[in-house]
Amino acid sequence: AQSVTQPDIHITVSEGASLELRCNYSYGATPYLFWYVQSPGQGLQLLLKYFSGDTLVQGIKGFEAEFKRSQSSFNLRKPSVHWSDAAEYFCAVAGMDSSYKLIFGSGTRLLVRP
Amino acid sequence: NAGVTQTPKFQVLKTGQSMTLQCAQDMNHEYMSWYRQDPGMGLRLIHYSVGAGITDQGEVPNGYNVSRSTTEDFPLRLLSAAPSQTSVYFCASSYLTTNEKLFFGSGTQLSVL
Repeated sequence: AQSVTQPDIHITVSEGASLELRCNYSYGATPYLFWYVQSPGQGLQLLLKYFSGDTLVQGIKGFEAEFKRSQSSFNLRKPSVHWSDAAEYFCAVAGMDSSYKLIFGSGTRLLVRP
Repeated sequence: NAGVTQTPKFQVLKTGQSMTLQCAQDMNHEYMSWYRQDPGMGLRLIHYSVGAGITDQGEVPNGYNVSRSTTEDFPLRLLSAAPSQTSVYFCASSYLTTNEKLFFGSGTQLSVL
């Protein structure tokens, strides 16, 4: 069965520092991969997605993610974090036959130190 | 641009009561879904629909019913609420094609006492 693991429950970084959020997935074939962000009291917003092609994908708000098939990973990165990036981040996976049936990871809460 | 609208935003129920969470979208999306969000567990898919008259179960369907009589609306019904259904519920929709992102509502916080 499909599954997504986000090993870090909380991460704290200083403003201006770089960020990497980890995501590992389990899926029998090449999956569709997504990162969503949730600000407090809000629904989720799509940051970026990977379907095929270039394994480094760019998203909104300066985020990027790299698909590594050999490691079954899809880690999210940002070179310089802003205080407004404090939120909860969810990695999600879907199958090629049902790209809209997302399976989400448990989330990583990002705290930003001034 | 309303997007995905969920009502109510907050609800408190007693065990055994029934209620319906409403979800409406104005983007002519074929696909609609319900997720529940619990601490440490991310979002789990309850039910989904790929068009009017078509629904299917997700990961955690027990205790919930859905129907899809129109493209715009996808209500979620709790027939007999249980404390285990205390959660935050999100409705999401998208076009029914690949590469399409989900649009989420702002959520309904439900407490069952």
